[in-house]
Amino acid sequence: GAGVSQTPSNKVTEKGKYVELRCDPISGHTALYWYRQSLGQGPEFLIYFQGTGAADDSGLPNDRFFAVRPEGSVSTLKIQRTERGDSAVYLCASSIGTGAYGYTFGSGTRLTVV
Amino acid sequence: QQPVQSPQAVILREGEDAVINCSSSKALYSVHWYRQKHGEAPVFLMILLKGGEQKGHDKISASFNEKKQQSSLYLTASQLSYSGTYFCGTVNSGAGSYQLTFGKGTKLSVIP
Repeated sequence: GAGVSQTPSNKVTEKGKYVELRCDPISGHTALYWYRQSLGQGPEFLIYFQGTGAADDSGLPNDRFFAVRPEGSVSTLKIQRTERGDSAVYLCASSIGTGAYGYTFGSGTRLTVV
Repeated sequence: QQPVQSPQAVILREGEDAVINCSSSKALYSVHWYRQKHGEAPVFLMILLKGGEQKGHDKISASFNEKKQQSSLYLTASQLSYSGTYFCGTVNSGAGSYQLTFGKGTKLSVIP
């Protein structure tokens, strides 16, 4: 597609439920990144993929968070047993490669845990 | 380690210039700059790689001082469209990862 697509754009879930957030990167972009952003803060790194493999998952806050990119294109961020503190905008970005390339961000998924 | 941005906020009149600074306590491989408008995604402005360089397009340019682990974004003859929050992001050198860590942002408001 022309840009990075994230679905859903908004998600309201009850505390304790499981959610999946989807990211469809720009075609041909081998690197994919997940960030989350709280109001008034900069994006906080979660994980990035180079191809199908997670190159760095050190930003995932705990084992309730998991992300996959099985075919090297679409990625899914999975959050188990959601907590109110997980509420944030989850941003996905992609780039043509790693290192010397800027990122194109999607519009984000606003997750609200009630 | 999160880079430190200054100032936190700045208000400009149209046509005025501004400088936004970004500093790190770690040796850097690269510095990214993004602009985010309220309710929108961050938009890539430019990337500077170690080796020390300057870049620019239109009236927005940036410098990267590798030795000082600092970068500055220069906005000249500001326009209303420049309003937004500017984020620098840094990739540490020798970390074995291209993890990009963002600062807390600088909110720029341009008024008529």
